[in-house]
Amino acid sequence: SQQGEEDPQALSIQEGENATMNCSYKTSINNLQWYRQNSGRGLVHLILIRSNEREKHSGRLRVTLDTSKKSSSLLITASRAADTASYFCATDANDYKLSFGAGTTVTVRA
Amino acid sequence: DARVTQTPRHKVTEMGQEVTMRCQPILGHNTVFWYRQTMMQGLELLAYFRNRAPLDDSGMPKDRFSAEMPDATLATLKIQPSEPRDSAVYFCASGSDGGDEQFFGPGTRLTVL
Repeated sequence: SQQGEEDPQALSIQEGENATMNCSYKTSINNLQWYRQNSGRGLVHLILIRSNEREKHSGRLRVTLDTSKKSSSLLITASRAADTASYFCATDANDYKLSFGAGTTVTVRA
Repeated sequence: DARVTQTPRHKVTEMGQEVTMRCQPILGHNTVFWYRQTMMQGLELLAYFRNRAPLDDSGMPKDRFSAEMPDATLATLKIQPSEPRDSAVYFCASGSDGGDEQFFGPGTRLTVL
């Protein structure tokens, strides 16, 4: 069963704009991860944030985590056409198992 | 460039046939995961192994699915007999003790007619 729920389901933006997507989850977690999936490919790990962290950056990515609200957000700044993909949040409650959300499909228009 | 490999990449078979999917985890990784991805259900964890021992296969239909790790370099997922509802993309992922990130293979796209 899916623990994470992403919002929105789909997002279309112009190149250079920022893209923000959110993830809500139900149970306590050790960490929350974001993955990207290009069409027809496997998932690629983007960033991990631990339950005792509130914000993390990696290049053009910024992730926040609010454990009191059981929610996370992923911000992609200055989007590029190559950022067109589906983005999934995944929660790790214990012992390496990940529960994935349904994903947000991001389309970056040139 | 270490990566998870999966074979075959595509498989079309008829209902009732046996299907075997193979995965080679990244050398040195000791956790292996099998996922199934469909439009309706999204990504579902089917089974996972740690140090070749199955730790959790609760997501797998036991009557027709089986997962094994004959050795540290090979994981297999078998479906016997296959059914049209098994049509999906099956991903293998591997990870290492102490690490949280999972590395995904390119997937096997299975179509059962």
